[in-house]
Amino acid sequence: EIVLTQSPGTLSLSPGERATLSCRASQSVSSSYLAWYRQKPGQAPRLLIYGASSRATGIPDRFSGSGSGTDFTLTISRLEPEDFAVYYCQQYGISPFTFGQGTKVEIK
Amino acid sequence: EVQLVESGGGLVQPGGSLRLSCAASGFTFSSYSMNWVRQAPGKGLEWVAYISSGSTIIYYADSVKGRFTISRDNAYNSLYLQMNSLRAEDTAVYYCARGIGNGRNPFDPWGQGTLVTVSS
Repeated sequence: EIVLTQSPGTLSLSPGERATLSCRASQSVSSSYLAWYRQKPGQAPRLLIYGASSRATGIPDRFSGSGSGTDFTLTISRLEPEDFAVYYCQQYGISPFTFGQGTKVEIK
Repeated sequence: EVQLVESGGGLVQPGGSLRLSCAASGFTFSSYSMNWVRQAPGKGLEWVAYISSGSTIIYYADSVKGRFTISRDNAYNSLYLQMNSLRAEDTAVYYCARGIGNGRNPFDPWGQGTLVTVSS
């Protein structure tokens, strides 16, 4: 099983600031099979990034993904109010399709 | 509009059974893989099961293997999760989620979820 470890656990930032979230895998993940999701309180998760760097339909360009192998990053260039939420990375290349434990982005 | 609507959740005693359903609309259901993902109260996401578009490939998380069965009926645009031998640790919101194609794909969109509570 591929274990995904996200850091930091919590990120305290102000609106308009840049957020950098990390996802590290216990073994190499083909960059074609790494995704990021945002989950707002009381809502289902929404796909942001897939294939490590491709934005999903309707996702604004302030969201970008990068990385390969075992280290991946989600960057939010300027935080909007709706971006204060929990973010999960996921690998969907090898069953079980594991998720990271999440990073909470909170208002400072 | 693509829509996924889960149903069938509720309160069940340990050792009991429950069948979840997910009604799909707004897309050609038979062309997409589907998944179940759960989230225990206040916890993170846990993938549960995957089924390919034609039901030929099925995967399960180790935590549910042998107890849960994923299935689909493409004629009725529906996905199912039969859950047997339920345990307290199965308590969670269960989401159905579509792959963005067939095969191994990220999940988009997700349903609103249905709550399963396992308690005596």
